[in-house]
Amino acid sequence: NAGVTQTPKFQVLKTGQSMTLQCAQDMNHNSMYWYRQDPGMGLRLIYYSASEGTTDKGEVPNGYNVSRLNKREFSLRLESAAPSQTSVYFCASSVDFSYEQYFGPGTRLTVT
Amino acid sequence: AQSVAQPEDQVNVAEGNPLTVKCTYSVSGNPYLFWYVQYPNRGLQFLLKYITGDNLVKGSYGFEAEFNKSQTSFHLKKPSALVSDSALYFCAVRAPRNAGNMLTFGGGTRLMVKP
Repeated sequence: NAGVTQTPKFQVLKTGQSMTLQCAQDMNHNSMYWYRQDPGMGLRLIYYSASEGTTDKGEVPNGYNVSRLNKREFSLRLESAAPSQTSVYFCASSVDFSYEQYFGPGTRLTVT
Repeated sequence: AQSVAQPEDQVNVAEGNPLTVKCTYSVSGNPYLFWYVQYPNRGLQFLLKYITGDNLVKGSYGFEAEFNKSQTSFHLKKPSALVSDSALYFCAVRAPRNAGNMLTFGGGTRLMVKP
């Protein structure tokens, strides 16, 4: 039981490049989330998927897209990376109505 | 809108002393409250939660938190701090009717426990 896994662990992009961050969970959770973590700002929700087949915007969705590929997988795509998207990205999942979220190890992204 | 405030960027405490990490919240309705801990270069780990019931909630690693509705606070406490407790702590809140289980996090408090 690996919990929540994320790939890659580190990534450096040039401005304008695109990439997809992958997330998978093996806990049979219905809900999945993407956050970004910036110094002094805690975690901010980018997008979430309450259940398979649905996605919704969070607090800071601009510049990102998501795909809930199936119940296990939830990917985050940056179509045209900008330096402001330099951050640490965390994926999380939770069971409906049990409230606590379980986090992956994070992806450290640098955009130059 | 829901919000969380962690008024201290850093808390310093000596090993063996009690520790408190403060959290206040704003939410419509009865809140669901959480504490998470983050060790360096790791994801967040769930510590404890308050949904309903006893105002004193016990969690992992000897931590506990007290829900105070009148003061809209949910402070994290531990009777005797360990050096290994040094980490970044986040408080989070969710409104009960918040679709998708969206959590709002505070900015985090760095706990430094000195030997």
